[in-house]
Amino acid sequence: EIVLTQSPGTLSLSPGERATLSCRASQTVSSTFLTWYQHKPGQAPRLLIYGVSSRATGIPDRFSGSGSGTDFTLTISRLEPEDFAVYYCQQYVSSRYFFGQGTKLEI
Amino acid sequence: QVQLQESGPGLVKPSQTLSLTCTVSGGSISSGGYYWSWIRQHPGKGLEWIGYIYYSGTTFYNPALKNRLAMSVDTSKNQFSVKLTSVTAADTAVYYCARAGGYCSGDSCYSRVWFDPWGQGTLVTVSS
Repeated sequence: EIVLTQSPGTLSLSPGERATLSCRASQTVSSTFLTWYQHKPGQAPRLLIYGVSSRATGIPDRFSGSGSGTDFTLTISRLEPEDFAVYYCQQYVSSRYFFGQGTKLEI
Repeated sequence: QVQLQESGPGLVKPSQTLSLTCTVSGGSISSGGYYWSWIRQHPGKGLEWIGYIYYSGTTFYNPALKNRLAMSVDTSKNQFSVKLTSVTAADTAVYYCARAGGYCSGDSCYSRVWFDPWGQGTLVTVSS
């Protein structure tokens, strides 16, 4: 079983700043299957990044993903007010899905 | 665009069966290439994948839940459903349905990699 540990648990920043969110896997995983989501209260989670660095349709280019092996990063280059939410990483391994516990990005 | 909506009882008694249905609109569940999934989030916790079903009826379940789990699909109604038996308070969660899809990169294609879209989620509380 894969454990994904996201850090920090909460990140407090201001609009216009750069956000760096980390996702660390308990063992080496494939970048092919590393995904990021954005989740706002009362809304459906939104697909942001798949394949570690490919943006989903309609996702602004201020969102970027990187990493390999056990360490992955979601970067938001210049925070907009609508970016404050909870972010989850997810890995698909052997027909199972594992999620991190989330990073809350707050103003 | 494709939209998903969960429906079902918000309160289930311990030891009974939780039953939820997801209605898909804006696209056909039978179009192929996608796997129709359930995911839950316990209060204040992270996300847990429950399982998925293909339009043909093929299923794959989270091993931790498979002994209590059954999924089905009704292509005529464009719906898929989940039943979880012998529920306890530990099954209290927001339940989401979602479409699992994939992508191609170069000569390789990967399916069931990501979830999009998701439903809004429905809170199911297990309590007497």
